[in-house]
Amino acid sequence: EAQVTQNPRYLITVTGKKLTVTCSQNMNHEYMSWYRQDPGLGLRQIYYSMNVEVTDKGDVPEGYKVSRKEKRNFPLILESPSPNQTSLYFCATGEQLNTEAFFGQGTRLTVV
Amino acid sequence: AQSVAQPEDQVNVAEGNPLTVKCTYSVSGNPYLFWYVQYPNRGLQFLLKYITGDNLVKGSYGFEAEFNKSQTSFHLKKPSALVSDSALYFCAVDYVTSNTGKLIFGQGTTLQVKP
Repeated sequence: EAQVTQNPRYLITVTGKKLTVTCSQNMNHEYMSWYRQDPGLGLRQIYYSMNVEVTDKGDVPEGYKVSRKEKRNFPLILESPSPNQTSLYFCATGEQLNTEAFFGQGTRLTVV
Repeated sequence: AQSVAQPEDQVNVAEGNPLTVKCTYSVSGNPYLFWYVQYPNRGLQFLLKYITGDNLVKGSYGFEAEFNKSQTSFHLKKPSALVSDSALYFCAVDYVTSNTGKLIFGQGTTLQVKP
């Protein structure tokens, strides 16, 4: 079954404590990206990757890092989380640019 | 600046009636347009897309959307709404010349279908 798997689904953490949200896909897609969803703002792109070792900033990259060492994994790293990063995060994948995206189930992050 | 607007926060419709969820866009090149649906506690699911060709695009679950270049719109429609269509709907746009992988989403429209 085609899947985009995010972990954890829910996370409460404290300001400044580094965390990683993992994303893994089994569809051999080249394109992966991270979004955050906030009420009234829709989804905003954080980072994206068009292939292994190729990553680039989206619209709201501040405070986030990513890596793409393997095709199937695209972790999102928050080196020093702050309360304004409290949000619902989605990983998405696609065969290539401009094709439909497949989304993970989401990770609800709360930073206190 | 590239943008997508969904002018209605919520659309209410009675079951069996036609529904329309509106979307307008502003991009510098030719757009690729998408609709996604989000059910509670779930990720987004792809409904349909417009790349080129026929302006009327048919998608999943009986939904369709009409691309109107002159009005820069891509409204989502369904002839007969079901209660199970109640969800949050997102319009999104990418643009041909960007080659950046950036997908821009509207703020979302909640569709409420009442029995």
